[in-house]
Formats: sequence, structure tokens, C-alpha cells
Amino acid sequence: EVQLVESGGGLVKPGGSLRLSCAASGFTFSSYNMNWVRQAPGKGLEWVSSISSSSSYIYYADSVKGRFTISRDNAKNSLYLQMNSLRAEDTAVYYCARGDRLFMCDYWGQGTLVTVSS
Amino acid sequence: DIQMTQSPSSLSASVGDRVTITCRASQGIRNDLGWYQQKPGKAPKRLIYAASSLQSGVPSRFSGSGSGTEFTLTISSLQPEDFATYYCLQHNSYPFAFGPGTKVDIK
Repeated sequence: EVQLVESGGGLVKPGGSLRLSCAASGFTFSSYNMNWVRQAPGKGLEWVSSISSSSSYIYYADSVKGRFTISRDNAKNSLYLQMNSLRAEDTAVYYCARGDRLFMCDYWGQGTLVTVSS
Repeated sequence: DIQMTQSPSSLSASVGDRVTITCRASQGIRNDLGWYQQKPGKAPKRLIYAASSLQSGVPSRFSGSGSGTEFTLTISSLQPEDFATYYCLQHNSYPFAFGPGTKVDIK
């Protein structure tokens, strides 16, 4: 069974940093691109970042470019999102989601809440 | 960047109704589009991939169609468990983009 479990969310002050993790199981993690998607309270879904299976290709939304860094460790079956210079508008539930093309976001984690507030 | 629009933004319907939601892309995206259902407090669930292919385990009352710039999600006979918010997602080119969502509630 495919499972994605996010962790690392919490309350952080504006300008602060946080690192999210996503632990994957039930599939060959190293064969799939991975994604981060977020959802601000009461708002829609927003694609944040994608990373290819071997980390060769990385993409970001303009809203996080230069502040967030996506990475992965295929030996640990884990995906990460390093978030720096956090702003109030980064407050959201952050989901990791598997795949690209035919597998695009076919499985999601339960999400982890990031709150940026003083 | 490709922009996604959805219509309507919300709708009220009754159990048994046929419901159609439209998603439009600002430029052609072939069939690189998925449809997702989200219930309050839960992660999204993929219903349709490649514009018209039904995700395994999803009831056959859900169907998708379209290619290029215009896509539709149809629920042939709305069931109580279908009241939710629906999103489309284009993954043809970066930055990927979700539509703003369509909330389906009970009339």
C-alpha cells in the first residue's frame, strides 16, 4: 500500500525557517518524481515544487522561488522541503504527492500544517 | 505560465442529478490534466487522469473528457458522498497549476 506521511509543520515567526519531511513507503520511491502542494486556510490548492526521481530537475512556483528548497534522499525514501524567510502568506497545509505524467499526484499524504505568525 | 479557470465556482444539486464541471486552460495542454475531489479536512483524491481515464477504484459515475484547452468532469448521478470540492490540475508545463475549484453542495 502506498503511504506518504508528512511531518515537520508547526508555528514559526515571520522570517523564520522550517523543514518539512515526507516519508514514503509501499512503492519504489526512487522511480517517481515527487511534488509539494499547499492549501492556505479556506483556499484552493497551490502547486509549490516538483523534483525528478534522480533530483536532476527541480521546479518551483514563483511565490516560493529563492526561499524554498526541495530535495530528496532515495536511500531513506524521503522527500524534504526547506522553507526559509517564511511569510504570513505561507501559512497552509502542505501535502506531498507522488508522481508525474500518468501518475501525477495519484497519491497524497495527510498534510502538515505550517503557521507563520508572530 | 498556463492559467486554469473552472466553472461554475459552486453549484447546488440534488442526489441523482447529473453534474458537469468545466475547466479551461489559457493555452493548449494536450490531455495533461487530472481531476481531484477534496472533502473538508482531507487530502485531495484523484478521480481522473490524462483527462479521461478513470482512476482505479473510483465509481464509474465519474467521467472526464476534453483535450487541448477545454475539459469537463461529469458526475452522471450525484450521490451523497460526492458533495465536495473538485479541482482540475494541468501538468503539461511548469509551473503546474490547479483550477480555483468547484464546490458541490446539497440543494
